[in-house]
Amino acid sequence: DTEVTQTPKHLVMGMTNKKSLKCEQHMGHRAMYWYKQKAKKPPELMFVYSYEKLSINESVPSRFSPECPNSSLLNLHLHALQPEDSALYLCASSQVKGSTNEKLFFGSGTQLSVL
Amino acid sequence: AQRVTQPEKLLSVFKGAPVELKCNYSYSGSPELFWYVQYSRQRLQLLLRHISRESIKGFTADLNKGETSFHLKKPFAQEEDSAMYYCALSPTGGFKTIFGAGTRLFVKA
Repeated sequence: DTEVTQTPKHLVMGMTNKKSLKCEQHMGHRAMYWYKQKAKKPPELMFVYSYEKLSINESVPSRFSPECPNSSLLNLHLHALQPEDSALYLCASSQVKGSTNEKLFFGSGTQLSVL
Repeated sequence: AQRVTQPEKLLSVFKGAPVELKCNYSYSGSPELFWYVQYSRQRLQLLLRHISRESIKGFTADLNKGETSFHLKKPFAQEEDSAMYYCALSPTGGFKTIFGAGTRLFVKA
């Protein structure tokens, strides 16, 4: 299995809802990432987990809460989002090899609309 | 500060013509550079990385540290090369990959 799987593919939520995005990979990668991509813009890094520990938080608002329950799963919990949070949320994973940056494997994303 | 600049939002060429997608970067250390590609209705995927010094689908990219550039080149463009191309930078040993704004390549028949 050489894919990163994201669910759901589409999500519509109200500003008072609580929802979660899920990401799964079975490639043995020990680094997992959340990126946010607005239309016609490049992906922007949100969070990085390395060996199931939060390594990078790019000053993301607390209404986004990541979780890495094990080495294969990555969640993004959403609460009290704003309409401007509507975007494509991409999950990615990579190997961890010393000082070498390994390539990112991306999922197909969750298209989120906040009403 | 780390920055990746792709000056062209859209590049349109005829099939068989050479193509060059420009990428310039700003970084104080020795970064690792990548090109990612997104074909229509497909996920973002790696095309090539500078440390591999390989040619993928006929594309090559050379890191020029003096000019801080990592331009992507192909001598003869094909229609199937039409896609969105992102240049990306990552600090050596770090996890923070930063993407340029992207260049949409359109290869005309």
